[in-house]
Amino acid sequence: QSALTQPPSASGSPGQSVTISCTGTSSDVGGYNYVSWYQQHPGKAPKLIIYEVNNRPSGVPDRFSGSKSGNTASLTVSGLQTEDEADYYCMSFAGSPPYVFGTGTKVTVL
Amino acid sequence: QIQLVQSGAEVKKPGASVKVSCKASGYAFSTYDINWVRQATGQGLEWMGWMNPNTGNKVYAQKFQGRVTMTSDASITTAYLELSSLRSEDTALYYCASGVATAGTSSFDYWGQGTLVSVSS
Repeated sequence: QSALTQPPSASGSPGQSVTISCTGTSSDVGGYNYVSWYQQHPGKAPKLIIYEVNNRPSGVPDRFSGSKSGNTASLTVSGLQTEDEADYYCMSFAGSPPYVFGTGTKVTVL
Repeated sequence: QIQLVQSGAEVKKPGASVKVSCKASGYAFSTYDINWVRQATGQGLEWMGWMNPNTGNKVYAQKFQGRVTMTSDASITTAYLELSSLRSEDTALYYCASGVATAGTSSFDYWGQGTLVSVSS
């Protein structure tokens, strides 16, 4: 099972939007609406920010949104804030084996 | 509150085994799967496998088949990851993770703090 493909980096100025892609196959991203996104700050454990493609857990700001088209899922962070600077990972259910992560994207707030 | 608290850092020699624990509290431990995810320094997240503390069912990533064992002890609400035949490439931060509030959505809303396993001769 190959890792899902994400761009290594993305950036934006405060207040702008940034969108991160997560490309898989019909066996994972394209086959299930079970894509989740995780934010990881340096030295910290990952934090769930989106589940089931476009749902936010309680407490996650609505600046974070998710979508999916075909084999590619996307995470959009609107109104960028300095605290959004972090690594972001997508994960998809993939049947067998069940889970595969993306390669990760480092978001820089300029 | 819901917590997953992992055991401390380990230093092992190549060929040895390591056992990492993950103590759960604040929820019905046996109800939710425990997943294990690792992250080498400066690298991405890698799913290793999951187990259900109630049924004992488990699924391991093919990469770790034959070297990994996941177990649990419901009496002390603790899950364990054991990795054998360690090599330098196994040096990583190992996390336990579970989907509790988001159960059934194939996502992990609670994570342990991570356990650093270093493999060096």
